Formats: sequence, structure tokens, C-alpha cells
Amino acid sequence: NAGVTQTPKFQVLKTGQSMTLQCAQDMNHNSMYWYRQDPGMGLRLIYYSASEGTTDKGEVPDGYNVSRLKKQNFLLGLESAAPSQTSVYFCASSWVSSGSVSQVAEQFFGPGTRLTVL
Amino acid sequence: AQSVTQLDSQVPVFEEAPVELRCNYSSSVSVYLFWYVQYPNQGLQLLLKYLSGSTLVKGINGFEAEFNKSQTSFHLRKPSVHISDTAEYFCAVSPHYNQGGKLIFGQGTELSVKP
Repeated sequence: NAGVTQTPKFQVLKTGQSMTLQCAQDMNHNSMYWYRQDPGMGLRLIYYSASEGTTDKGEVPDGYNVSRLKKQNFLLGLESAAPSQTSVYFCASSWVSSGSVSQVAEQFFGPGTRLTVL
Repeated sequence: AQSVTQLDSQVPVFEEAPVELRCNYSSSVSVYLFWYVQYPNQGLQLLLKYLSGSTLVKGINGFEAEFNKSQTSFHLRKPSVHISDTAEYFCAVSPHYNQGGKLIFGQGTELSVKP
């Protein structure tokens, strides 16, 4: 089991360039998440996906888009990169139950992608 | 809305000393509580979690945390730290009945264990 994998590990972009960060999980989890980590701010949720084909905004979605076409993959896109998007990006996944029972589950994290926008 | 405050951004301690990392939260609904650890240049991994039941929760690597509902706190403790405990620690909450199982993280506490 690889768990949660992310590619690339490092990336340098120029302002205005676009790119896609890739995330894959092999645990058959239904929910996936993208966070960014900045010094002194903890992790902030960018987007999440509660199931294949659905996505929702998190706390800081501006400037990003996502895609969850397959259950095991969650893609994060930057359409026009800005220096403010320099950060470390983490993908996570979990199994979250639905229905009347409270939804809670451990999230499993990938190793991160360190992105620098010049 | 929920928020999580980790009261110390950096905690330096000597090896074999006890340590407490403080976490307070604010929420209008009941929450589940988590502590995650991030070793240098790695992703986060779960240390422990409180879902229900006993308010004292034991986790991996000798860590434990106590949920105090009246004080809305979930402080992390270890009686004797090792050099290998040097890492960043994150407290997080997940509101009951939140769609997608989202977590809200605190700002993190850097634990530095010195010989």
C-alpha cells in the first residue's frame, strides 16, 4: 500500500504559468482534500471532495480549481500562478460515513508538494 | 464557525523532560478532536484522537491528551521526551455532522528537544 502519493515533490513556476498537482490514494477512501501549509498559519483547506465527481470549496479556494473524475485521484490546478500561492500543498484522504451518524474519520496525508512562484 | 488556537508557537525542552502542548478551540457545536505530528519534510500523521468516552486519550509514541469540555481544551502531554520527538504538532477539530469530514487546524507548535 502506497497510501497517499503526490506529484511533483517540488515545482518552481513563474507568475502567470499554470500547473496541476496530482494526488492519488489506494485506500478506497471516498473523501479527499487539498490543503496549503504556510508558516504560522497551520493547514488551510483549499477544496475537498466528499465523493467521486463532487467537489466543494474550503477556506481558501480563490485561484485554484479541482477535479475528481476518478475515486482514487484528486487534482489541484493553478490557472495563473501568483507569488501568494507559494506554499507547501498537502493532499489527504479519508473514509467518511454518510447518513444520520456523525461523520468523522482519520485523514491520511501525502508527503506534500513544495511550490515556489517567482 | 470553529477555530483552533495553539497557545505556543515554539516549545523548547531538554531531553527526558515533560512537555505540554496547549490547544484551545471554539465551536458552537460538539466537535471531535485530533492531534497530528509532522516530522521535518514529511506529511502529517495522526498521534491521537478524541471521539467520545474517556476524556483521557492515549496515542502513539507515549503521548496522551485530555479533553476538557468546560475549558474547551485538548492539551497534549508526554512525561519524558526524546530527541526524536522534535517535530511540529497540530491540533485539529472536526464538527459533528459536518459534510465531508472536514478538519480545522490550529497554527501548529514546534517542539524542539535538546540534548
